[in-house]
Amino acid sequence: SAVISQKPSRDICQRGTSLTIQCQVDSQVTMMFWYRQQPGQSLTLIATANQGSEATYESGFVIDKFPISRPNLTFSTLTVSNMSPEDSSIYLCSVALGAVKDEQYFGPGTRLTVT
Amino acid sequence: RKEVEQDPGPFNVPEGATVAFNCTYSNSASQSFFWYRQDCRKEPKLLMSVYSSGNEDGRFTAQLNRASQYISLLIRDSKLSDSATYLCVVLSGGSYIPTFGRGTSLIVHP
Repeated sequence: SAVISQKPSRDICQRGTSLTIQCQVDSQVTMMFWYRQQPGQSLTLIATANQGSEATYESGFVIDKFPISRPNLTFSTLTVSNMSPEDSSIYLCSVALGAVKDEQYFGPGTRLTVT
Repeated sequence: RKEVEQDPGPFNVPEGATVAFNCTYSNSASQSFFWYRQDCRKEPKLLMSVYSSGNEDGRFTAQLNRASQYISLLIRDSKLSDSATYLCVVLSGGSYIPTFGRGTSLIVHP
């Protein structure tokens, strides 16, 4: 497994502002993912962030709204831009480990409230 | 039809009971299957992988039925600490992108 930390753990932000969430892993990993989980819902994949390449976004998510950085094999950031109340959610990063990289290990999440 | 479907529950069972959850998937090319556990206000954590031959880990047994395209999780001798949401996760062959079910809520009461 891996030890994954996220900063901040929670934040309350005003609409129209942006928040950058950091994800730090204690080992080098190729594949990192960013998810959103809204109350009572399952996880929705925002994008896959592999070091050395542009992030790949899922349908409904765009780079202008959720820019991602992946400067090295242990770190990534997700920015939620020009926030609205609909962006209130838990944002989680994860890494893919295991012999065939099919096991996901998650950070503790960032709880975002937009007022 | 959703790719991965679970009965959201909640399943409300007494301590010591045996409880089973099913999860159906729509993509017949799916290759990897997992159960995750998510406690309230916490991140999901890998509970167990699901192998074709079925696998057991203590009180937990996971099985895969490819013909009917579902996986199951059986919990024996339920404990209060088993109360959580159990997420079914499926990966298609050649893909590293998992698909999560909405989760099944389990409440174990004294």
